[in-house]
Amino acid sequence: EAGVAQSPRYKIIEKRQSVAFWCNPISGHATLYWYQQILGQGPKLLIQFQNNGVVDDSQLPKDRFSAERLKGVDSTLKIQPAKLEDSAVYLCASSLGIAGTGELFFGEGSRLTVL
Amino acid sequence: SQELEQSPQSLIVQEGKNLTINCTSSKTLYGLYWYKQKYGEGLIFLMMLQKGGEEKSHEKITAKLDEKKQQSSLHITASQPSHAGIYLCGADPNTGNQFYFGTGTSLTVIP
Repeated sequence: EAGVAQSPRYKIIEKRQSVAFWCNPISGHATLYWYQQILGQGPKLLIQFQNNGVVDDSQLPKDRFSAERLKGVDSTLKIQPAKLEDSAVYLCASSLGIAGTGELFFGEGSRLTVL
Repeated sequence: SQELEQSPQSLIVQEGKNLTINCTSSKTLYGLYWYKQKYGEGLIFLMMLQKGGEEKSHEKITAKLDEKKQQSSLHITASQPSHAGIYLCGADPNTGNQFYFGTGTSLTVIP
C-alpha cells in the first residue's frame, strides 16, 4: 500500500515569494491534515479536512496561508507571501476516519526555508 | 490551540537506563496516541490508548493512560541508541474530531 506522498521535499525561497506544497493521501482515507513543525517544536495543526470539507482551520494564518482539497483526495497548501517565520517542515497526514478513531499516517514532510 | 503538555522537554540518558515521558491534558482525552520522529523524517506511530487505565507494550516501550484519561506516560526500559528521537503524544482534548500534538520530548541515548 502506497503511503502519504508529499512534494517537494525541500524548498528555498525569499521572503514575500509564494510557495505551494502538494499532498496525496493514502487511497480511501477520508481525513487529511496539514501540520507546521518548527524546529524544536511539536507539529501544529494548520488545517484538517474531512473529505473535501474543512473540520478545523482555526490555526491557519488565513491572510497568507490557503489550502484546498479538491474532490476529497489530493490537497495543496499555499503560502503567499512567505515570511521568515514560515520556515518549517510542513507535514501532511491522513487517516481512514475522523481523528480519535485510528492511526494517522504521515508523509515525509516538505521542508521550507525562507531567506 | 494545542492543549497537550509533555515533560520533560528533552532527555539525555546513558544506554541501558530506563526513562519516562509524560503527556498531560487539562481535559478528558478521546484516545491518546504516541508517535516517534527522527530528525528529517516523518512521524511513526507507536501505539494508541483509548480506555482509562489501559496499558500497552511494544518491545521495550510501554504506554499507560490514567483512569481519568487526562495523562499518559511512555516508559522505555533499557534504552538503546535506536530509541533516540522526538516523542510526541497526540490527541483531541475537545470533541474527538480533531487531532493535536503535544509539545514533544527530545530523547538522546548516549552509547
